Amino acid sequence: LAKTTQPISMDSYEGQEVNITCSHNNIATNDYITWYQQFPSQGPRFIIQGYKTKVTNEVASLFIPADRKSSTLSLPRVSLSDTAVYYCLVGDGGAAGNKLTFGGGTRVLVKP
Amino acid sequence: NAGVMQNPRHLVRRRGQEARLRCSPMKGHSHVYWYRQLPEEGLKFMVYLQKENIIDESGMPKERFSAEFPKEGPSILRIQQVVRGDSAAYFCASSPRQGVDTGELFFGEGSRLTVL
Repeated sequence: LAKTTQPISMDSYEGQEVNITCSHNNIATNDYITWYQQFPSQGPRFIIQGYKTKVTNEVASLFIPADRKSSTLSLPRVSLSDTAVYYCLVGDGGAAGNKLTFGGGTRVLVKP
Repeated sequence: NAGVMQNPRHLVRRRGQEARLRCSPMKGHSHVYWYRQLPEEGLKFMVYLQKENIIDESGMPKERFSAEFPKEGPSILRIQQVVRGDSAAYFCASSPRQGVDTGELFFGEGSRLTVL
């Protein structure tokens, strides 16, 4: 399973856009890129998933360059409630099922 | 549609006792995953099960830990003779199927085990 590298922490202010970049240099052809959000004392929650180019949903956007060796999660106009840990994962959901490997994540703190 | 249900939410055990953690996947989901999270760390995969089968237990400690997902009833993670190092949050996740486009796992709220 591809290893991911992302910043340990990021600070932001309400109303700003937060961009978290994740490196996955040895991503495999069949791997998808998935982002999860985790609040304290809660289970992770799926945010967005993509394979290439750009994916957007009601919560976030995911930008994936052509070489797919990195990806950027973009959270528009964050609020205090977006303070959480964000995990970048890669996996193919194939023979290993959806055995996703979580790294340390990025701890995002949104300040007033 | 209820989400993934885990119980107990909090469990306190003394060293040497047994801990049993239960997980009921979302309705229609036949794939269950268990993860362990130590304080201030990411989640670590333990085991992946389908109904009545263990598919991947590469993350399970070789001793004292076992998991099952019977035909009827919840999945159970069992820890025998607990030690203080077993203190952690244990998360269960489920998915309806496996495949390249099913990266979404639905997680429960976790069971927090404290070993005294």
